[in-house]
This record gives sequence, C-alpha cells and structure tokens, in this order.
Amino acid sequence: QKEVEQNSGPLSVPEGAIASLNCTYSDRGSQSFFWYRQYSGKSPELIMFIYSNGDKEDGRFTAQLNKASQYVSLLIRDSQPSDSATYLCAVNNRYSTLTFGKGTMLLVSP
Amino acid sequence: DTGVSQNPRHKITKRGQNVTFRCDPISEHNRLYWYRQTLGQGPEFLTYFQNEAQLEKSRLLSDRFSAERPKGSFSTLEIQRTEQGDSAMYLCASSPRDRQETQYFGPGTRLLVL
Repeated sequence: QKEVEQNSGPLSVPEGAIASLNCTYSDRGSQSFFWYRQYSGKSPELIMFIYSNGDKEDGRFTAQLNKASQYVSLLIRDSQPSDSATYLCAVNNRYSTLTFGKGTMLLVSP
Repeated sequence: DTGVSQNPRHKITKRGQNVTFRCDPISEHNRLYWYRQTLGQGPEFLTYFQNEAQLEKSRLLSDRFSAERPKGSFSTLEIQRTEQGDSAMYLCASSPRDRQETQYFGPGTRLLVL
C-alpha cells in the first residue's frame, strides 16, 4: 500500500511567520510531488509541484524535496490569514495518478 | 472561465437511487480523472481516462460505479443503487499532454445519500 503521511494539525502560526508543512511518502519510485491548498468546502487548488531534489521557490512558497529521505515540505513565508486552509501533499504513482495525504490544517492568526 | 467544470454541484438522493455526474475538462487536456473525498481525508483515486480510453480503475470503484468519456471530451460518472456510504465529494481533474501528472481540479459534486 503506497502511502503519503502528513500531520493533520492544526498548525497554528501568527501572521507574518513562516509556516512549515511536512510530508513523507512510501513509494521510492515516485517522481513527481505536489502541494494543493484546499479551503473548507472547496476543491483542491494546485500551488506547487517539484520533481528534483532541492528547493523550488514561487513567490512566498518554497517546496523542498529529499528523495533519499522520502520527504517533501512546503514553506510559506510571511503567512497571511488568507493562507488558512488544509494543505494536501500528493505523490504520483506509476499510472500518473496521484496518491494524497490526509492534509494538514494551517491556521494563521492575525 | 476555462477551468474544469462539474455538474451538478450538489445532489441529494435517497438510498437505492441512481445518480449521474458530469465533468467537462479544461479544453485540450487529454487526461481526465475522478476522485472521491470524504471529510477529513485526502482525495482518493477512482479512475482515469486518456482521451476516450479508461486506463485505470481503483479497487474503490465497485461494480455499482461506471464512468465513460465517449468522445474524449466530457465524462460522466454514474453510481447505481446508491448507499449511504457513497456520500462524499466527487472530484474531477484534468491534465495536459505535456505535463500529465499536473492535475487541475474542478469544483466537485457533493453527494448526500439519505
């Protein structure tokens, strides 16, 4: 059973702080890694993807991948209350479908 | 708006009834996926199409579920003889040819089986 594990949270950070969200996966053959944001009652929205070891930055978001440790993370700098949502980590499988974690709820307080 | 669209957005039905959902992918996306999401869980893969061919089905997709994509454009997901356990958000996603793992989700259809 290929799994993606995330801490369910909630992760609480004050406005302006860095939020760090973590994810581990079990399938060493996975090649592509994704972070989705999901607001309550809404569908997942793709915010970042990463294929190679190291860091990938996009605005306030940085995705980090370590394939040796089977670990993916998402950093959100200068967190805003509007960032409060559930963040889903997803990993591709051999058919290019995605296996999702249960998500980490992030709460950013003003 | 050229995003993925799904209809209906909400469906309430009685146990034992059949329901059908429709998904229109982003134009020219050749892959289309169906997922199911329940409260507190991430989306779970159900099935996917490349053009009109259904290439993979999850073990979650019992024989009461059927999906079609007859012309490689829109897709339908039908659930026959609905059960209360079918209550969930049904999500459709599509991906482009040049980046097939990158999936974009529609707004979902929320199903409640009474």
